[in-house]
Parts: sequence; C-alpha cells; structure tokens
Amino acid sequence: DSGVTQTPKHLITATGQRVTLRCSPRSGDLSVYWYQQSLDQGLQFLIQYYNGEERAKGNILERFSAQQFPDLHSELNLSSLELGDSALYFCASSAATGGHYGYTFGSGTRLTVV
Amino acid sequence: GQNIDQPTEMTATEGAIVQINCTYQTSGFNGLFWYQQHAGEAPTFLSYNVLDGLEEKGRFSSFLSRSKGYSYLLLKELQMKDSASYLCAVSNSGAGSYQLTFGKGTKLSVIP
Repeated sequence: DSGVTQTPKHLITATGQRVTLRCSPRSGDLSVYWYQQSLDQGLQFLIQYYNGEERAKGNILERFSAQQFPDLHSELNLSSLELGDSALYFCASSAATGGHYGYTFGSGTRLTVV
Repeated sequence: GQNIDQPTEMTATEGAIVQINCTYQTSGFNGLFWYQQHAGEAPTFLSYNVLDGLEEKGRFSSFLSRSKGYSYLLLKELQMKDSASYLCAVSNSGAGSYQLTFGKGTKLSVIP
C-alpha cells in the first residue's frame, strides 16, 4: 500500500457520459498530480494541485476538470466521454518540497468507455 | 519543451546484466528519476540522481551526466520478476512546484 488511495479501481461507462475519479494523497503530502496512461503510451501529465490550488496544467482536455478539496483529496471529472478516453488514470502525491522524494502513485483507475 | 528518449523494448537473460539508457532535453533540471511499472500497476520509485555520477542500491544502479543529458539504469543479476517497464522521468522546478515528465518507458523482458 503506497498510501495514495484511488477509487474506483475499475469503471466502465458509455460514450457521452460523465465520471468522477477520486484520489486521497499520502498523509502529509500537499501536492496531487493526475496522469493519463493509454495503451502503449507513456504517462501523460494532466494537472497538478498544491494545497487546494491549481499549480500546473499539462495536456488536459477542456472536457476534463479537477479540484482539490480542503481535506486535500482530489477529484478528476471527465465529461462527454469518448472511446479514446479509455485509459489508466493515475493520481500521485508528493511532499510540499517534492525534489528527491519524487512522487508516490496510487494504484490507478482503469476507465473503459464503450 | 522537454524531450525524453529511451528504447521501447529490451530483452535480457535471467542472471545477466542489462543497461537501459535515457537521454533528455529540458530546462530547469532538478533531478532524474527511474520508476518500475509492472503491467497494469502503479509505477514504483527505483532511484533518483541530481548530481553527476553513479548511485547504487542493491541490484540496481543509476548513472547521470547532466552535461550530456544522459542517464542509465543498470540492473544486475536479473530475475524473472524484473520483467516490467522502466520509466525515466525528469524533474523540473518552476513557479514553486516540481513536475515530473516521463519518457514512454522501456519494456524489459527477462527470459530464462
């Protein structure tokens, strides 16, 4: 157990629908990062939150949004889902200073859009 | 922008040594990480280099040359369980935050 909790582990939904993925960071970590990993693709950075505020944005689609709540858990919302959104979505957290501690990843949510 | 290159696939024999190379181009360099990822699972931290040279940790070692934008991960005494993807990731600092950019990973297959 890495200490980063992601729910649900698996999600199957239809095109056009909206889903919410949830992440609880490791105790004491203030930063939360969301990554998408498609088949045969590397980890693509989506968005980062630090202590409730958006800190950095990557290649996140306008149909996707995220937030970090006062208790530091984060949610990634995916709407108007398309087949191409099927992927593993990872959340990672890091200590405030990041640096050599790197990231700790959750076990991911496997999203299948049918 | 950032660019990270590593071989797509490698095969090695159980008990042997394998070296996985990674080259990168980036600004605001703050260190280089190696992660291991078994299929369908979360990446797990292997090593971190911020200064030039070799870092050794058991069967795994990682090397960094900042001037050449080059790193490698060395795995010794390969075991079947080492079959996994190995991700090179570069850390950048800016605007008070740290970000990791990952390469596409090298899929290592260990054969008997």
